[in-house]
Amino acid sequence: DVKVTQSSRYLVKRTGEKVFLECVQDMDHENMFWYRQDPGLGLRLIYFSYDVKMKEKGDIPEGYSVSREKKERFSLILESASTNQTSMYLCASSLFWGRGALNEKLFFGSGTQLSVL
Amino acid sequence: GDSVTQMEGPVTLSEEAFLTINCTYTATGYPSLFWYVQYPGEGLQLLLKATKADDKGSNKGFEATYRKETTSFHLEKGSVQVSDSAVYFCALTIGDTGNQFYFGTGTSLTVIP
Repeated sequence: DVKVTQSSRYLVKRTGEKVFLECVQDMDHENMFWYRQDPGLGLRLIYFSYDVKMKEKGDIPEGYSVSREKKERFSLILESASTNQTSMYLCASSLFWGRGALNEKLFFGSGTQLSVL
Repeated sequence: GDSVTQMEGPVTLSEEAFLTINCTYTATGYPSLFWYVQYPGEGLQLLLKATKADDKGSNKGFEATYRKETTSFHLEKGSVQVSDSAVYFCALTIGDTGNQFYFGTGTSLTVIP
């Protein structure tokens, strides 16, 4: 089965720090996504990538950047962490949609709970 | 734009009760519809899906039918168990947008013995 691994389960950082959240998938998926999950707001898409070195902004990209140097790894970067970025961050991956509707499915990591103090 | 609206929680039920979680959608194209479940301390995992109108997705006793006429995809289970306690997310994707998914806000379900 597909495995999506996020490097940290819990992370505590200070305001102004640069924060890296790492995500690795082991099934050669083209698409990778970063979401943040907040109570009452559900999942909101920050960035996604459909190929190496490609990235697209999601609904809430402000304050974030991403890096995809290798197909299996998608990193989320908080350039200068702020308290309003305290959240659960979820990474996900999927096959490219062009391979047919039967392959439409997101595989999620377990999440990183980030606290910015 | 494309979006999903699902009933707000939290929902608390007794074991063996009937469950319905409502979900409606707005889509510019022809969406595929999903229910994802998040158990405590875990990421989301796919519960069931339907890719065209009148399709019924089912898994682990849960069912949802893709209703184009009412733009709905309500989740149902005839008899819930304590192990069903989780947060449930309705979602849609439209293939020609590069497989971008749109999620509802989630509905927390607690089943008590």
